[in-house]
Amino acid sequence: DGGITQSPKYLFRKEGQNVTLSCEQNLNHDAMYWYRQDPGQGLRLIYYSQIVNDFQKGDIAEGYSVSREKKESFPLTVTSAQKNPTAFYLCASSPRPMDTQYFGPGTRLTVL
Amino acid sequence: GNSVTQMEGPVTLSEEAFLTINCTYTATGYPSLFWYVQYPGEGLQLLLKATKADDKGSNKGFEATYRKETTSFHLEKGSVQVSDSAVYFCALSGWMNYGGATNKLIFGTGTLLAVQP
Repeated sequence: DGGITQSPKYLFRKEGQNVTLSCEQNLNHDAMYWYRQDPGQGLRLIYYSQIVNDFQKGDIAEGYSVSREKKESFPLTVTSAQKNPTAFYLCASSPRPMDTQYFGPGTRLTVL
Repeated sequence: GNSVTQMEGPVTLSEEAFLTINCTYTATGYPSLFWYVQYPGEGLQLLLKATKADDKGSNKGFEATYRKETTSFHLEKGSVQVSDSAVYFCALSGWMNYGGATNKLIFGTGTLLAVQP
């Protein structure tokens, strides 16, 4: 089955620790994205990548970092510099940068 | 700038009732418009889309028409089911320019639909 997987589904971390969220796709999509969702709000773009070894900041990149070493993988690191990291994180991909985006199941991060 | 405004929820309906969720947008150029659905604890699923004015997107009994004159993309369904209970997001595609255009989705805040048996 083709799709986007995110792991883990739930993640708990202590304040001050970095944490990495996984996103993998086997759809052969060129573009990948990370969004953050907070209660009662829409999604906000953190980072995006159009091709391997290239990525750009979105609207709320501060306190986050990414890498795109392989086409199928786009991990997101939430660093200790992110002031309010508790949120639902969604990864998406699209065949090409201008195509429709498809989403993974999400990871809920709780910082204690 | 580009933005999306959705009606606030929750919207509570009885099974088989008619559904309308309003969505209006502000955008430069000619964006594509989308409806995504999010079931509890899950990611977003694409419900339907329209890429140009007067296009109608449809899927699973849901419909929405891209109205440029009223800058709207209202979601409708003739007869809702309990299984339609979810949060619905309207979104438009803006553009990020870096070495070529990239599709950036701009979301509304979502509308919770609760369908009672």
